[in-house]
Amino acid sequence: SAVISQKPSRDICQRGTSLTIQCQVDSQVTMMFWYRQQPGQSLTLIATANQGSEATYESGFVIDKFPISRPNLTFSTLTVSNMSPEDSSIYLCSVEEGAGSSYNEQFFGPGTRLTVL
Amino acid sequence: QKEVEQNSGPLSVPEGAIASLNCTYSDRVSQSFFWYRQYSGKSPELIMSIYSNGDKEDGRFTAQLNKASQYVSLLIRDSQPSDSATYLCAALGRGFQKLVFGTGTRLLVSP
Repeated sequence: SAVISQKPSRDICQRGTSLTIQCQVDSQVTMMFWYRQQPGQSLTLIATANQGSEATYESGFVIDKFPISRPNLTFSTLTVSNMSPEDSSIYLCSVEEGAGSSYNEQFFGPGTRLTVL
Repeated sequence: QKEVEQNSGPLSVPEGAIASLNCTYSDRVSQSFFWYRQYSGKSPELIMSIYSNGDKEDGRFTAQLNKASQYVSLLIRDSQPSDSATYLCAALGRGFQKLVFGTGTRLLVSP
């Protein structure tokens, strides 16, 4: 499976600031996803990021709050804007392998643990 | 009914026993299912995928899919303390490419 890295691995930020999280993959992938996992909770999909098109956001998530870039097939960024303590969470990127087949397996990066004070 | 449902646990089993983790799903998901293992403080790791009715075995892990009853299971044979983790069941949403996750079942394997 693809090797996925995220930066930063963790950060502590002040309310009202923004943080950009980077996701790098060691091979070209069509579909990348951004998830949030709040403490003690399961994963919630924020958006799907495909290269060459606008990200598709899930209900409850908006581009102004979580702008996403996908400049090429190996890289994506998620920005958490105007942060509040409620944004404290683990943010995960994932990539889909087996695209074009029936497999649709997703593999996750190591995550970014964000704490907002 | 939620799209994917799991008992949150914890499920406690002694070392060497078989751990059975279950997941039910609704008609709003497709027929592709995945089991992820997540250790505390770590990201989810894909351990099994299953697409057809029946059993699929990989080492100590067996995934079972029963489409008629709309459930998918993960059996872990010869459970080890290192298997202690949260196990997430996921399904591919019907008509689109995103995964839908259950809330996870916490497994505790005692020595």
